[in-house]
Amino acid sequence: DTAVSQTPKYLVTQMGNDKSIKCEQNLGHDTMYWYKQDSKKFLKIMFSYNNKELIINETVPNRFSPKSPDKAHLNLHINSLELGDSAVYFCASSQEFRQGDEKLFFGSGTQLSVL
Amino acid sequence: AQTVTQSQPEMSVQEAETVTLSCTYDTSESDYYLFWYKQPPSRQMILVIRQEAYKQQNATENRFSVNFQKAAKSFSLKISDSQLGDAAMYFCAYYIYNQGGKLIFGQGTELSVKP
Repeated sequence: DTAVSQTPKYLVTQMGNDKSIKCEQNLGHDTMYWYKQDSKKFLKIMFSYNNKELIINETVPNRFSPKSPDKAHLNLHINSLELGDSAVYFCASSQEFRQGDEKLFFGSGTQLSVL
Repeated sequence: AQTVTQSQPEMSVQEAETVTLSCTYDTSESDYYLFWYKQPPSRQMILVIRQEAYKQQNATENRFSVNFQKAAKSFSLKISDSQLGDAAMYFCAYYIYNQGGKLIFGQGTELSVKP
């Protein structure tokens, strides 16, 4: 069973469209994250949620809206897509740190291409 | 601001040889975690090794070991007996508790392994 699964793996769309990426984890973790990997492979955090509550919003444009219906799911909705949004988006999860075996588990990524 | 620096954009090693990837970080925290993640062409983020800052003993995982120098804020990764499957992008990362808890990544080092 995949620990952190995100769909779709590839997403090609036109500028101005709205799209969503879904993420689910079956590890029982309380914390989930969205990371963006740009064309130079640099990874930067966008959001984190702990038990459905937004914890980190790292100066991401308002066009990006995360939604966590429960602690096992964290979806990312993007409005009015722009060329600069083209990147690989990773979902990740972790249990709360300082409780042992601290590490982030990553999904396989969604490669978003905006044309 | 917390930063992670990997000064080697690319490294190359002969199969069966040993290679060391460098990483330095900047923080005023005393309690944190350090990680090395591997990203092969499949795009999957794979945890290689992690180190708790309060532990003086260097972490090891089979052929992978770290040299953790807390005072120098240095966290290098040594890969022994390099294999073709080790070819990947390697990211050093630092987990900070403040501001909600997040993993901050370095720029990455692209490792190639020559047969």
